[in-house]
Amino acid sequence: GQQVMQIPQYQHVQEGEDFTTYCNSSTTLSNIQWYKQRPGGHPVFLIQLVKSGEVKKQKRLTFQFGEAKKNSSLHITATQTTDVGTYFCAGQGGTSYGKLTFGQGTILTVHP
Amino acid sequence: NAGVMQNPRHLVRRRGQEARLRCSPMKGHSHVYWYRQLPEEGLKFMVYLQKENIIDESGMPKERFSAEFPKEGPSILRIQQVVRGDSAAYFCASSPPGLLAGIYEQFFGPGTRLTVL
Repeated sequence: GQQVMQIPQYQHVQEGEDFTTYCNSSTTLSNIQWYKQRPGGHPVFLIQLVKSGEVKKQKRLTFQFGEAKKNSSLHITATQTTDVGTYFCAGQGGTSYGKLTFGQGTILTVHP
Repeated sequence: NAGVMQNPRHLVRRRGQEARLRCSPMKGHSHVYWYRQLPEEGLKFMVYLQKENIIDESGMPKERFSAEFPKEGPSILRIQQVVRGDSAAYFCASSPPGLLAGIYEQFFGPGTRLTVL
């Protein structure tokens, strides 16, 4: 079945440094979504990418979807302590609409 | 506008008991999804339901687990004869209706933390 791998598992940064997490799918995706989960909280939707090669920005966050629609990345510029949490990518593929296949997540720690 | 609601937020059961987890989707949403999350792991899809229909249950364990979304009332995830390995956070999510409902973003509830003693 479809698998989504995400790296790194952990990332520690100093406040102000940049951060990137990468996501790779074993199969071509119809779309990929990114979620953020704070400790003890629930996943909160950040963005959805649908088109091949798509790039979207939200303030300090930049999301990319690969040309082959099998990989994606999230980049945060100049991290802040409010960015701490776990970032998940989640893919939908083929005709399996509805089902999200989540990556393992990247736990981001930002040191002030 | 209330979000996705789940109850209870925390549930403690002894081995062999039954656990019932409830999920009320966002107003206007008719698609419900259940995911399970083990500590420090990603979310694993369990089941996708519409009103009175199971659309995709490919992630549901074959035994002891069942889910429903009746015409009236919340969606229920039921775990019979719980074992320690069932301890996890169970999240429900919902999305709007429509032909392409399955590709919309999913709005997650706060989750139910199940502990099996």
